[in-house]
Amino acid sequence: AQSVTQLGSHVSVSEGALVLLRCNYSSSVPPYLFWYVQYPNQGLQLLLKYTSAATLVKGINDFEAEFKKSETSFHLTKPSAHMSDAAEYFCAVSVSGGTSYGKLTFGQGTILTVHP
Amino acid sequence: GAVVSQHPSRVICKSGTSVKIECRSLDFQATTMFWYRQFPKQSLMLMATSNEGSKATYEQGVEKDKFLINHASLTLSTLTVTSAHPEDSSFYICSAREGTARGYTFGSGTRLTVV
Repeated sequence: AQSVTQLGSHVSVSEGALVLLRCNYSSSVPPYLFWYVQYPNQGLQLLLKYTSAATLVKGINDFEAEFKKSETSFHLTKPSAHMSDAAEYFCAVSVSGGTSYGKLTFGQGTILTVHP
Repeated sequence: GAVVSQHPSRVICKSGTSVKIECRSLDFQATTMFWYRQFPKQSLMLMATSNEGSKATYEQGVEKDKFLINHASLTLSTLTVTSAHPEDSSFYICSAREGTARGYTFGSGTRLTVV
């Protein structure tokens, strides 16, 4: 079975500072990895996804993430935080085979706060 | 891009009544629909997976007789919370996938409050 661990339930940065949200995964088969953002009382919006192509994945709003198999990590970064980035971020994993095929497993979420 | 419309966005119901939540894929065929619930300050927990025309597969611990899922067409799936109780109050989110694509489109969620 696959799992995801997000390190840090809360991250606080200043506007204009680097954003780093950490995600580590566990999977017995090659994973597909996703980052989603959720604003209060809304659904999830896809930021980016890794599907076994390039290990450095660029997403919307200048977010990017790097898949590191040796570290089983898929950390999300953004060079310069905006106030509008304040939200909750979820890392998720799905696998291509086995009984868990197609199911998304989410991490616990990280709330990003951006202060002026 | 792919859009999933979820209704209602908010609903308040009395204990013992049933509530139906709809998810429609507007511009693609949702061969698979996933239903999640999210408690405050928590992550999304998968409740069930449904494929069009087939019975839903429920995750361990989810009561299939309480959470009825229907996926009768490629564009519509419904979740009915039967005999709702206050502990069923939660945020319910659907997610649709077309074929074996690696994209999941989420609905905007439904805030259910049972009083």
